[in-house]
Amino acid sequence: EAGVAQSPRYKIIEKRQSVAFWCNPISGHATLYWYQQILGQGPKLLIQFQNNGVVDDSQLPKDRFSAERLKGVDSTLKIQPAKLEDSAVYLCASSSALAGGHNEQFFGPGTRLTVL
Amino acid sequence: GDSVTQMEGPVTLSEEAFLTINCTYTATGYPSLFWYVQYPGEGLQLLLKATKADDKGSNKGFEATYRKETTSFHLEKGSVQVSDSAVYFCALRSGAGSYQLTFGKGTKLSVIP
Repeated sequence: EAGVAQSPRYKIIEKRQSVAFWCNPISGHATLYWYQQILGQGPKLLIQFQNNGVVDDSQLPKDRFSAERLKGVDSTLKIQPAKLEDSAVYLCASSSALAGGHNEQFFGPGTRLTVL
Repeated sequence: GDSVTQMEGPVTLSEEAFLTINCTYTATGYPSLFWYVQYPGEGLQLLLKATKADDKGSNKGFEATYRKETTSFHLEKGSVQVSDSAVYFCALRSGAGSYQLTFGKGTKLSVIP
């Protein structure tokens, strides 16, 4: 079974530029999550999708971050404009709605963003 | 709100030493508890989990017991190997209706031969 795919793996941009990350979850997983992991900290949830609907985006800085999952499969996370403090690893995870499945989230390798 | 506190690292051990990484939590209701591991250059992987009080999760020689009375979920391994060198994250998932994970800050473990 293929895992969660993310691209790009690394991205370096200057502040005030825009950047987008892509995630393809495990086939059949209805729930998709985006996390931000700042160096030295644990991942923090930014947004959670159930199919193509948003379940929780309470910690997403909506003035600059946006995310979509139009067809309920893959997803993009965008930052516009980027700030220095956005430097982090952006993790995508997915889980299944099958009984008990939501107890395990499967994570992708992450995209490491550096904002200069 | 929910929170997870785990011991700060880094932790350096010799091969075959005993490992304990402490984790305590604050949550409403009856959370599920997890340990995730992040090997160098790789994504987060679920190591073990426990979904109710007194459950013991175990995998790859690691164990953790869900202790409701002390709100703890300490990770233990009797004999660590060099290949166990990684960052370990304790996490919780609140009760029904929310699937999001709340993570601790992570503990970096280095095992030397």
